[in-house]
Amino acid sequence: DTAVSQTPKYLVTQMGNDKSIKCEQNLGHDTMYWYKQDSKKFLKIMFSYNNKELIINETVPNRFSPKSPDKAHLNLHINSLELGDSAVYFCASSQGVGLHNEQFFGPGTRLTVL
Amino acid sequence: ILNVEQSPQSLHVQEGDSTNFTCSFPSSNFYALHWYRWETAKSPEALFVMTLNGDEKKKGRISATLNTKEGYSYLYIKGSQPEDSATYLCASARDTNAGKSTFGDGTTLTVKP
Repeated sequence: DTAVSQTPKYLVTQMGNDKSIKCEQNLGHDTMYWYKQDSKKFLKIMFSYNNKELIINETVPNRFSPKSPDKAHLNLHINSLELGDSAVYFCASSQGVGLHNEQFFGPGTRLTVL
Repeated sequence: ILNVEQSPQSLHVQEGDSTNFTCSFPSSNFYALHWYRWETAKSPEALFVMTLNGDEKKKGRISATLNTKEGYSYLYIKGSQPEDSATYLCASARDTNAGKSTFGDGTTLTVKP
């Protein structure tokens, strides 16, 4: 049983396209996150949702829009993809918004923009 | 310290060696400190979450300590094995319920058989 799953695992697309990455967790957690692993392998938080409400929105271009249809899902939609968007995107979840809670990460989605 | 810093950046040890590395973080408004183990081509796996000054946590051969007053945490691995080879990340959260944590750049450990 996969606790935090992401689809697709790999995504190759042309510049200017719009694409979505889906994330689902079956842990019953109420907080979900999106992270970006940049070219230097650093992990940077992008968004966090608690009970379907946005609680963190880091300095991320407006082209990135998270959508949480329910507590178990946090999807990431990216408009007008740019070359610099190429990265690995990780979804994570935790029980509770406080950061004393352990975060569980998904397997990552490698996005390549050509 | 404004950011989360980890040292060394990389470490090569022989199987059986014990090793340790450091995570330095802002001591003001400290809330929680996380350690993660991140193997190549996999996702980060949580090792420890620590919140109290003086906390010590242990999982098998891996242990961690926390000093919130001076803003550092040590991760120790006793008797390193090749399967311990991974990048070890720490992440510090300041006193907010906004769910934000800042990650260090990681220490990449390679254990040679």
